[in-house]
Amino acid sequence: NAGVTQTPKFQVLKTGQSMTLQCAQDMNHNSMYWYRQDPGMGLRLIYYSASEGTTDKGEVPNGYNVSRLNKREFSLRLESAAPSQTSVYFCASSEALTSGGSNTGELFFGEGSRLTVL
Amino acid sequence: GENVEQHPSTLSVQEGDSAVIKCTYSDSASNYFPWYKQELGKRPQLIIDIRSNVGEKKDQRIAVTLNKTAKHFSLHITETQPEDSAVYFCAASGNQFYFGTGTSLTVIP
Repeated sequence: NAGVTQTPKFQVLKTGQSMTLQCAQDMNHNSMYWYRQDPGMGLRLIYYSASEGTTDKGEVPNGYNVSRLNKREFSLRLESAAPSQTSVYFCASSEALTSGGSNTGELFFGEGSRLTVL
Repeated sequence: GENVEQHPSTLSVQEGDSAVIKCTYSDSASNYFPWYKQELGKRPQLIIDIRSNVGEKKDQRIAVTLNKTAKHFSLHITETQPEDSAVYFCAASGNQFYFGTGTSLTVIP
């Protein structure tokens, strides 16, 4: 049981290049998320997928696209990387147990992907 | 959307003392409030959580309190140890999770 696995762990890109971050979970979770973490900014939600077949924008979606390929996999794509996208990216998943409309399932994070855009 | 504010941003305490981290949130629909600990270079991991029908929850040296009327919740760590040194994040959950900006806790031996 690997939990949440994301690849690659490290990547260096030049401005304008594209890349895809891959994420897979083996916990049969319905919901999956992509966050970015920057110093002093906490964890900011880029996109999320409440269930297979759906995706929604989070707080900072500009410059990113996502694909919920199936229940296990949720990828994040940078079409034209910019230096402002230099960050540590975390994929996460949760059971999405709802209580009064709220997501109350524990978030499980991947190990993170450190992306540098030159 | 939800806005979660967290204070302080840094906190240093002597080993054995208590540490308190406070968070406020804006969306009254949020009803789940987890706390995550992140060690340097590692992923965030859940340490305790509280749901809106509960005012306080304790797990050994860690406790969380929630005041839904005032929209604030706090993390209390007693008898701190050097291994408690990490960054702590609060979060509030509506249909998605919103995180505070983190508190870097240093426990001085």
